[in-house]
Amino acid sequence: AAGVIQSPRHLIKEKRETATLKCYPIPRHDTVYWYQQGPGQDPQFLISFYEKMQSDKGSIPDRFSAQQFSDYHSELNMSSLELGDSALYFCASSPAGTNLLEQYFGPGTRLTVT
Amino acid sequence: QKEVEQNSGPLSVPEGAIASLNCTYSDRGSQSFFWYRQYSGKSPELIMFIYSNGDKEDGRFTAQLNKASQYVSLLIRDSQPSDSATYLCALTGTASKLTFGTGTRLQVTL
Repeated sequence: AAGVIQSPRHLIKEKRETATLKCYPIPRHDTVYWYQQGPGQDPQFLISFYEKMQSDKGSIPDRFSAQQFSDYHSELNMSSLELGDSALYFCASSPAGTNLLEQYFGPGTRLTVT
Repeated sequence: QKEVEQNSGPLSVPEGAIASLNCTYSDRGSQSFFWYRQYSGKSPELIMFIYSNGDKEDGRFTAQLNKASQYVSLLIRDSQPSDSATYLCALTGTASKLTFGTGTRLQVTL
């Protein structure tokens, strides 16, 4: 079965640089979620999109922005990177924007800021 | 106080035994409950989800939900060394975002 695809899998950036993470949801899933997981931490919700509209916003810094495109893939743009942004970034998708449906996670992008 | 509480472990069980993982939550409005398994450096993998009070079984896994007591548990029967991982309890409320506990590390010993 097709899974969530994320790219790149690994990314190394320097402080103050920008990064773009991409997520391709499972086919026929129209809802995308972004989570950040720091070392030894649980995943923290950043932002979500349903039918290309932002549906919810969590603890996402103002330096970050995201969008969902017409083909339902999503991109997380991160600017003015800080050392504390080093983390695993997961994208998850679900069939619709309800709270009753399970979310399936992609393999993640490991971002290292030096 | 975190919205979702889990014992961080490690919980050590011998191979073939039943592993019991517990989770409590503070928001009575929580609606859906999920158990994810996460190996170190990997992404969370959905194991079980449950919406209604009672038990839900899937293979070696049983999820139990008690909304009155605000707890949800996961039983793993016939535990295998490959079950050794961190188990994350998560929930949704009126919004669809997942709120996670800090996870319980399970070690299945030979």
